[in-house]
Amino acid sequence: QSALTQPPSASGSPGQSVTISCTGTSSDVGGYNYVSWYQQHPGKAPKLMIYDVSKRPSGVPDRFSGSKSGNTASLTVSGLQAEDEADYYCSSYAGSNSVVFGGGTKLTVL
Amino acid sequence: EVQLVESGGGVLRPGGSLRLSCAASGFTFDDYGMSWVRQAPGKGLEWVSGINWNGGSTGYADSVKGRFTISRDNAKNSLYLQMNSLRAEDTALYHCARDPTSSITSFDYWGQGTLVTVSS
Repeated sequence: QSALTQPPSASGSPGQSVTISCTGTSSDVGGYNYVSWYQQHPGKAPKLMIYDVSKRPSGVPDRFSGSKSGNTASLTVSGLQAEDEADYYCSSYAGSNSVVFGGGTKLTVL
Repeated sequence: EVQLVESGGGVLRPGGSLRLSCAASGFTFDDYGMSWVRQAPGKGLEWVSGINWNGGSTGYADSVKGRFTISRDNAKNSLYLQMNSLRAEDTALYHCARDPTSSITSFDYWGQGTLVTVSS
């Protein structure tokens, strides 16, 4: 159960697109289509943005999209807005009824 | 409206025990898997433990295996986490979270958390 690897930071200007990666192994990200992404603003509970690699819960803008290739999943935020500035975490099912999170990425909107 | 309200946190010494509770409302509790996710101060999210809809399947992070026990009472719409042999590194805000499926894969609703502080 090693944490998934995310870049500590990412940034983009309003209107631009930014992609955050999440690298695991064949035992988690690469082995299951159960990758999720969460947005967390300071002092708030996390919010589910993407689940099952690329599905968006109701109410999440379609500016947020997810994908996966091999052992690496990605979250793309298009048309960046000021309110997108937050911490983003990926997670993956890792077998044996377990889940593993990434270390988190701080997204800054310049 | 889905609501998850955690309770039971506190300050205690290393080696102590604590039982966290999560009261669920606004949805059919026994249709969903549930998990505990913690966040140490200033740190990232760490999945702690999960349980499927009927309690028949459970899972634990390696860091808590053998020390923590997750359970649920569907009649009371409640989730629990029994925490034994607590260590300083267990200090964190503990969130209760609902899985959008009946098992343990992702988390679509989160409580605000209950703080556990382990310190000598």
